[in-house]
Amino acid sequence: DIQMTQSPSSLSASVGDRVTITCQASQDISDYLNWFQQKPGKAPKVLIYDASNLETGVPSRFSGSGSGTDFTFTITSLQPEDIATYYCQQYRNVPLTFGGGTKLEIK
Amino acid sequence: QITLKESGPTLVKPTQTLSLTCTFSGFSLTTTGVGVAWIRQPPGKALEWLALIYWNDNKSYSPSLQSRLAITKDTSKNQVVLTMTDADPVDTGTYYCAHTTALRFLSHWGQGNLVTVSS
Repeated sequence: DIQMTQSPSSLSASVGDRVTITCQASQDISDYLNWFQQKPGKAPKVLIYDASNLETGVPSRFSGSGSGTDFTFTITSLQPEDIATYYCQQYRNVPLTFGGGTKLEIK
Repeated sequence: QITLKESGPTLVKPTQTLSLTCTFSGFSLTTTGVGVAWIRQPPGKALEWLALIYWNDNKSYSPSLQSRLAITKDTSKNQVVLTMTDADPVDTGTYYCAHTTALRFLSHWGQGNLVTVSS
């Protein structure tokens, strides 16, 4: 199985801050990576697919980068509505695997 | 427009069999490359992939749960069913189904079905 190590597990930032979350795969997954946003009581929503492609309708302040084993998810200017838990997920191989999540809070 | 909706019990007793149905619209499970996955989330914990079925009836399962899971499709009803045997309290959580293609994994999700396993 491919292990996805996501950090940090929680993060507190101010409105307008730049926020960065990292995800490391235990083996090369090329760019087969999703980033999800999950708000309380809601299903996850894809923000980024193929490591760096912005899903249609997602604000441009969200971005993703990386390939191989190391990936980064960035919010360039944090907004109050971005409060959520974020997950990375690889689809290079089954079993599909998720990172442990990053809970983002407003400072 | 792709939509998915999970249905099934909200309460299951330990050792019982849990059966969940995903009813979808906006795509067909007869289209090449299309699949439906099941993912669960214990309260306050991370997401865990469970199973995946494709248009050609290829199936994949989580290795840790493979002996307890079965995934089937009914293309005439636009439904996918996940069955989990020998339910345990650790199986408590929200169960989601999601649309998948060869190019876009887990692109659309249902709203989830919260299942509690308790006597």
